Amino acid sequence: EPEVTQTPSHQVTQMGQEVILRCVPISNHLYFYWYRQILGQKVEFLVSFYNNEISEKSEIFDDQFSVERPDGSNFTLKIRSTKLEDSAMYFCASSGTMGETQYFGPGTRLLVL
Amino acid sequence: GENVEQHPSTLSVQEGDSAVIKCTYSDSASNYFPWYKQELGKRPQLIIDIRSNVGEKKDQRIAVTLNKTAKHFSLHITETQPEDSAVYFCAASMNDYKLSFGAGTTVTVRA
Repeated sequence: EPEVTQTPSHQVTQMGQEVILRCVPISNHLYFYWYRQILGQKVEFLVSFYNNEISEKSEIFDDQFSVERPDGSNFTLKIRSTKLEDSAMYFCASSGTMGETQYFGPGTRLLVL
Repeated sequence: GENVEQHPSTLSVQEGDSAVIKCTYSDSASNYFPWYKQELGKRPQLIIDIRSNVGEKKDQRIAVTLNKTAKHFSLHITETQPEDSAVYFCAASMNDYKLSFGAGTTVTVRA
């Protein structure tokens, strides 16, 4: 069964550094999402992406965040200048069409020191 | 925006008993309600979902009910087994772009 994959599984970075989190959605999916989960808290929506543009974004997704689909398989989340409060588990998800099940990747645990 | 409340935060049940988790949502426009199971260190996995044109849906030992008038939906697990131990998240969506999640319920099934 196809799965969403994410790399790296863990990332440690210094405050102020840029990080890029990578995701490979399920191959025939068209809708892509990023969520984050701060330790002990609920999963929070960051952004959705379709047809090479952002469909919706939350108030968390400020100018420090950006997403890109650089090729036909990867979907990336970039944080330009990380802050301590960006430490969280970041999940990528994809769905075939709008309204279909969102399938989640295994997550990238980001620790900002 | 949508606000989803989930109760209880923890639930301990004896193996074979039933478990019920309840969620409420704030936006009456929400029309899609999935439930995800997350085992420790693993990805959230969809276990069942329901749309607002349906009141109840069942899949083997798992069932979900939806009350649109009261804006609440519930997950029912019958004949619980140790492998049902996990964190369960409810979610709601009104435009299918964004899932708004509840805070999660940690379910422990005692053997």
